Amino acid sequence: GENVEQHPSTLSVQEGDSAVIKCTYSDSASNYFPWYKQELGKRPQLIIDIRSNVGEKKDQRIAVTLNKTAKHFSLHITETQPEDSAVYFCAASETSGSRLTFGEGTQLTVNP
Amino acid sequence: NAGVTQTPKFQVLKTGQSMTLQCAQDMNHNSMYWYRQDPGMGLRLIYYSASEGTTDKGEVPNGYNVSRLNKREFSLRLESAAPSQTSVYFCASSERSSGNTIYFGEGSWLTVV
Repeated sequence: GENVEQHPSTLSVQEGDSAVIKCTYSDSASNYFPWYKQELGKRPQLIIDIRSNVGEKKDQRIAVTLNKTAKHFSLHITETQPEDSAVYFCAASETSGSRLTFGEGTQLTVNP
Repeated sequence: NAGVTQTPKFQVLKTGQSMTLQCAQDMNHNSMYWYRQDPGMGLRLIYYSASEGTTDKGEVPNGYNVSRLNKREFSLRLESAAPSQTSVYFCASSERSSGNTIYFGEGSWLTVV
């Protein structure tokens, strides 16, 4: 089955700096890559996703890039703010269409 | 439109007791899921139901059973709880099981003593 690895496990940045979280996946047939944000004690919520026919996608301060050849994708957050502090999860979808496999998460801390 | 609703929110069980976590969605989604979340281990799929009438094992199914009662409801049962099942449980749903946004419930905090 699919295996997703996520790095780093913790990331601390100063407010206004950029943050980058990287994920690799094992199944070359995976074609859907969402990113979820989970605040402390809350449910995970989708913040952005990308499909295999697209190399990059942006939504305001958030962007995701995908390199299918290398089987990795990344989340980029620019101009970070304290409210961006949370755990971020990447995920990949198997082509069998049955489920998402999640990375282990990155704890992002944005220091004022 | 409440989205995904799961109950109970908090539960303490003694080893060997049984319980059922209830989940319902009002988004007319076809697929439903149960995940568990342990510190530093992300979200691991326990069971899923791609469509009404079907259920399949996920990554960590041992010790659990599920029932897709109808299109709206998907329950998770612990027959004989063990301390290793102490975790946060999330129910989720999506329109289809492939390449669709998954929406999570608020989570159920389960402690087995």
